[in-house]
Amino acid sequence: AQSVTQPDIHITVSEGASLELRCNYSYGATPYLFWYVQSPGQGLQLLLKYFSGDTLVQGIKGFEAEFKRSQSSFNLRKPSVHWSDAAEYFCAVGANTDKLIFGTGTRLQVFP
Amino acid sequence: DAGVIQSPRHEVTEMGQEVTLRCKPISGHNSLFWYRQTMMRGLELLIYFNNNVPIDDSGMPEDRFSAKMPNASFSTLKIQPSEPRDSAVYFCASSFTGETQYFGPGTRLTVL
Repeated sequence: AQSVTQPDIHITVSEGASLELRCNYSYGATPYLFWYVQSPGQGLQLLLKYFSGDTLVQGIKGFEAEFKRSQSSFNLRKPSVHWSDAAEYFCAVGANTDKLIFGTGTRLQVFP
Repeated sequence: DAGVIQSPRHEVTEMGQEVTLRCKPISGHNSLFWYRQTMMRGLELLIYFNNNVPIDDSGMPEDRFSAKMPNASFSTLKIQPSEPRDSAVYFCASSFTGETQYFGPGTRLTVL
């Protein structure tokens, strides 16, 4: 069955520290992979996406993610977190850009 | 660019009442998606349309839910009759076929 796992429900980091949010997927073929961010009371905003090609993908707000086929992972990283990055982050997978399966999300808290 | 517009932003109703949620997709987009977000089940795709035609409604929970897209600029999600377990945030998203989904701000539905 197709699925997405975000093993960390809640992560707390200090401002300026590095960040890595984990995402593992189960899928029959190479999927389309996405990271979205949701601020409180808002809809989801796309951070970055991977369809094919270079496995290191750059996104908005200084985020990047690396597709590792051997580990079925698509972890999100940022070298230095800002207080404004506090939000909920969702990993999603799909055969295309339409029928996406979302993970349960990771809530990021940033301390000054 | 106005983005995806949803109305109302908040809806409080009593069990048994009919609820209609509305969505205006981004102009030029030809795919539209309805999602439901709850604490228990996360973000679930309910139904999506392409060129105003329903493509996949396998996520619609039961016959009480129905969705229509009478034209390229408007869609509705109707719940009749509503039940307390329908309380959730309902998101609409739109895209151009094969491209990124853009989410609206959501409608928070509370059924008493």
